[in-house]
Amino acid sequence: DTAVSQTPKYLVTQMGNDKSIKCEQNLGHDTMYWYKQDSKKFLKIMFSYNNKELIINETVPNRFSPKSPDKAHLNLHINSLELGDSAVYFCASSQDGFVSYEQYFGPGTRLTVT
Amino acid sequence: GENVEQHPSTLSVQEGDSAVIKCTYSDSASNYFPWYKQELGKRPQLIIDIRSNVGEKKDQRIAVTLNKTAKHFSLHITETQPEDSAVYFCAASPPTSGTYKYIFGTGTRLKVLA
Repeated sequence: DTAVSQTPKYLVTQMGNDKSIKCEQNLGHDTMYWYKQDSKKFLKIMFSYNNKELIINETVPNRFSPKSPDKAHLNLHINSLELGDSAVYFCASSQDGFVSYEQYFGPGTRLTVT
Repeated sequence: GENVEQHPSTLSVQEGDSAVIKCTYSDSASNYFPWYKQELGKRPQLIIDIRSNVGEKKDQRIAVTLNKTAKHFSLHITETQPEDSAVYFCAASPPTSGTYKYIFGTGTRLKVLA
């Protein structure tokens, strides 16, 4: 059983387009995250939601808009894609964002903007 | 904010030798220190973690040590095997406005030579 899943796995699109990435977890966790991993493999947190509420919002361009319809799902919508948005985007979940716990990562979505 | 430095960036060892990866953090309020292993094209996966009230933790060939005073923590892998080859990330988890997030180090690419 897949604990944290993401779709799509690969996304190739042109500059200026709008795209979405979806994430689902079946672990019963309260908190979900979006991370960006750039070409140098650096992992940086973007957003975190706890029970559908935004609790962490790092310095991310407002072209990125996360949405959590329920605590098992966290989606990421990106408007007006730019070349610099090319990266691997990982979703993750943890039991409770108000306590330090292990985070479980999804398989990643490789976004390529041409 | 929290800053995590990780060294070395690359490490090559002979099979059977030990490998040590070191991290330092800046925020003394950080209380949880996980280590993640990321194989090529895969998701990061937790291999070991340590909380701030513990100085050392071991799990078979893997051990982590924490020096809170010096704000250092290290990953030790003994009897390395080719399947240990991967990128390893340390992280620190500081409290931020009542929530916790991971601040990752820049990663260490470990290559175990057969």
